[in-house]
Amino acid sequence: EAAVTQSPRSKVAVTGGKVTLSCHQTNNHDYMYWYRQDTGHGLRLIHYSYVADSTEKGDIPDGYKASRPSQENFSLILELASLSQTAVYFCASSEFRGNEQYFGPGTRLTVL
Amino acid sequence: QEKVQQSPESLIVPEGAMSSLNCTFSNSASQSIWWYQQHPGKGPEALISIFSNGNKKEGRLTVYLNRASLHVSLHIRDSQPSDSAVYLCAVSMAQGGRALIFGTGTTVSVSP
Repeated sequence: EAAVTQSPRSKVAVTGGKVTLSCHQTNNHDYMYWYRQDTGHGLRLIHYSYVADSTEKGDIPDGYKASRPSQENFSLILELASLSQTAVYFCASSEFRGNEQYFGPGTRLTVL
Repeated sequence: QEKVQQSPESLIVPEGAMSSLNCTFSNSASQSIWWYQQHPGKGPEALISIFSNGNKKEGRLTVYLNRASLHVSLHIRDSQPSDSAVYLCAVSMAQGGRALIFGTGTTVSVSP
């Protein structure tokens, strides 16, 4: 049973449109993360959360918002999608900060 | 700002040979070092971690950490075609908001 799931698995969006990526975990973990992966840049942290109803900025938060309505769910919101946000997005969870992170299967986002 | 660099960028090894991957990091205050494996179209999965100077062995994997030289290496003995993947080095920071800092990865191809 997959412990971290993401939806949708792929999405095509138009420039200027709103995009919401969803993540659900059944690990009972406090920490959740959103990363983007681009060729040549590896994984870069966008936002993270360690408790419901609270989010923190990561390394590249500009143009992204996050929402953690419950321990299990963590969303990434692109209010005004841009071409530069075309990437693969991964959600992850961990029990403690610095512990092993468990990743979802990723969402491939293409902004046209 | 912590930096994690991996070498080589890519590696081709014959089946049964040893795969050797390197990772350097910039901050001696880092805590654990993690190695993740990522197959195409999948999320990264943790393979092994190390905290103390020296080596750690798990199955076909051996990790060597030298904090004085800020260097860690991963060696995969008896490489198999199923080991073909991208390997990501990640450093856990003791302080600050970022839990793991990832390198850009080494692509390993094992030829049958």
